[in-house]
Amino acid sequence: AQKVTQAQTEISVVEKEDVTLDCVYETRDTTYYLFWYKQPPSGELVFLIRRNSFDEQNEISGRYSWNFQKSTSSFNFTITASQVVDSAVYFCTLRGFGNEKLTFGTGTRLTIIP
Amino acid sequence: GAVVSQHPSRVICKSGTSVKIECRSLDFQATTMFWYRQFPKQSLMLMATSNEGSKATYEQGVEKDKFLINHASLTLSTLTVTSAHPEDSSFYICSARRNGTQYFGPGTRLTVL
Repeated sequence: AQKVTQAQTEISVVEKEDVTLDCVYETRDTTYYLFWYKQPPSGELVFLIRRNSFDEQNEISGRYSWNFQKSTSSFNFTITASQVVDSAVYFCTLRGFGNEKLTFGTGTRLTIIP
Repeated sequence: GAVVSQHPSRVICKSGTSVKIECRSLDFQATTMFWYRQFPKQSLMLMATSNEGSKATYEQGVEKDKFLINHASLTLSTLTVTSAHPEDSSFYICSARRNGTQYFGPGTRLTVL
């Protein structure tokens, strides 16, 4: 069975602060894929990143960075110098190798206060 | 740009009518598409996996006769909510997988009066 836990239900930070969204996962698969999606108020899920289990390199994309720690089964997401446009619900998801279905976390609602 | 389109974005219908939602993959072929339902402030719930040229696979608890899925081509899947009732009001989202990553449509907000 697979499971994704996003313990932070809601987070509010003041604009320009850094914020980290936590994601912890469980899987018995040796090969798997992790994803982060952003869901702004409009409702559309926007793909942010995919990480393969065999690639533990951390990644940075502009103000976004991801820390993949296989030893602790975590895939945390950090937004640096947050902006109001970052306000959204963020979902961490997992897919096992050979499995078509995504396992979703419960999401973290991030509010950036101007 | 958008990878998956969905139409309509909003629909309001009377109880007892049927509503069809279209999901299209843009510029790529998708042998498999997925239909989700999302209640307010909740995560996405997978309803069914749509397979081109064959029957959809429904998740446990999802009524296949109520939520008809047709995947007639490699770029189009449709979800028809039959005999809609107010409790079917929800946000429906489709997705298609391209190169191992699922891309989501913009969603359809269904309101049944």
